Amino acid sequence: DGGITQSPKYLFRKEGQNVTLSCEQNLNHDAMYWYRQDPGQGLRLIYYSQIVNDFQKGDIAEGYSVSREKKESFPLTVTSAQKNPTAFYLCASSRTGHSRSSYNSPLHFGNGTRLTVT
Amino acid sequence: GQQVMQIPQYQHVQEGEDFTTYCNSSTTLSNIQWYKQRPGGHPVFLIQLVKSGEVKKQKRLTFQFGEAKKNSSLHITATQTTDVGTYFCAGSNTGNQFYFGTGTSLTVIP
Repeated sequence: DGGITQSPKYLFRKEGQNVTLSCEQNLNHDAMYWYRQDPGQGLRLIYYSQIVNDFQKGDIAEGYSVSREKKESFPLTVTSAQKNPTAFYLCASSRTGHSRSSYNSPLHFGNGTRLTVT
Repeated sequence: GQQVMQIPQYQHVQEGEDFTTYCNSSTTLSNIQWYKQRPGGHPVFLIQLVKSGEVKKQKRLTFQFGEAKKNSSLHITATQTTDVGTYFCAGSNTGNQFYFGTGTSLTVIP
C-alpha cells in the first residue's frame, strides 16, 4: 500500500542537540510539506518542496532545515536554534505542488513524530 | 499575511445533536479543503470546495463555501460518537501553500 512513513513516532532529545525527523513517501507525489502542530494553534507550515532539490520556507522556518535530494524523501532537521522545539511534527505530500487552476491536490499526512526536548 | 480563523475552538454536544464549525479567511481563497483528525491521529482529507457558493454533502456532513470565497462551514447532522475529533479547514490561493484554521475539537457525549 502507498503512504507516508514518518519515523520515529516519539523522539526525545536534550536541549542544544540537532535532531532529524524522517519522512518517506511512495505515492509518487511531487510536493512534500512539513507542519508543526501545537495545542490550540492548528497546523503551521515549516517548509515545503514542490520538486527535487528545491524547497521554500513556510511561516515558521526559523530554527529548521530541510533537504529534498530524492522525490521520496523530505527529512526535517530541528536545530538547536529552534527556541521551542517540543511539538508534534507532521509530514504531508500532495500529487502536484503547483496548481494553476482553482483545484489543489489534497494533502496526505504521515502519522507524525512527537518530539520532546528537555 | 494570509490568515484563516476557525470557530469555535471546542464544541461539546450530546449524541444526536447537530454541530457546525466555521472558517473565515482574511483574503479570497481559490479553494478550501476540510480535514478530520481523530484523537492521537493525523489529519485525513474530507473534501474540497472550489466554486463560489458551492455546497457538498457526504452523508450527514454538509460543506459550504461562501459566495465571496472567504468563508466556509461544516455542518454535521445528528452527531454520532464516531464523529469525535478535530476538524480543520485549509484555505489555499492558486499556489502551493495551505493555510490551516486552528481547528474545532468536537466531543460527542453518548
